[in-house]
Amino acid sequence: EIVLTQSPGTLSLSPGERATLSCRASQSVSSSYLAWYQQKPGQAPRLLIYGASSRATGIPDRFSGSGSGTEFTLTISRLEPEDFAVYYCQQFSGYTFGQGTKLEIK
Amino acid sequence: EVQLVESGGGLVQPGGSLRLSCAASGFTFSSYSMNWVRQAPGKGLEWISYISASSSTMYYADSVKGRFTISRENAKNSLYLQMNSLRDEDTAVYYCARDLLQYSGSYYRSNAFHIWGQGTMVTVSS
Repeated sequence: EIVLTQSPGTLSLSPGERATLSCRASQSVSSSYLAWYQQKPGQAPRLLIYGASSRATGIPDRFSGSGSGTEFTLTISRLEPEDFAVYYCQQFSGYTFGQGTKLEIK
Repeated sequence: EVQLVESGGGLVQPGGSLRLSCAASGFTFSSYSMNWVRQAPGKGLEWISYISASSSTMYYADSVKGRFTISRENAKNSLYLQMNSLRDEDTAVYYCARDLLQYSGSYYRSNAFHIWGQGTMVTVSS
């Protein structure tokens, strides 16, 4: 089973700053099968990125994904107040999720 | 509007059973694979089951294998999760989620969960 480890566990930043979230896989993952989600309290997750770097419909271009093999990154170029949430990566050789990164306001 | 609505959650005793439903609307349900994902209180997301568009393929997480059964009725635009032998650790919000891409046959592989329901709470407690 492929294990996804996200870091940091919590990221404290201010609006307008750049956020870089990491997702590391225990084995190589095809870039086509790596996705990122955003979840706000009391809400269902929302798909942000699929195929490691493709933005889902309606996702602002300040969100970008990159990476390959075992290292993947979600970048939010300039944080908006509504971006503070928990972010999960997911791989599709077994459908496992990372444990999440909480992005909080500093 | 594309929508998924779960129902059937509630309080059940350990060892009991529960059947969750997910009603789909706004898209061609029979063209998409579906999934169940759960989230224990204060915890992360856990995928638990997948079913292909035609019901020909099902997958389960080890944590629920042999106890949970996923099924669907395309004519009713509905997805189900039969949960038996429930344990305390099954307490969670249960989400149904639709694949991003339309099912394309035996070589199809999921690559993202695009549409999610609002979730239904299952509490296993005596």
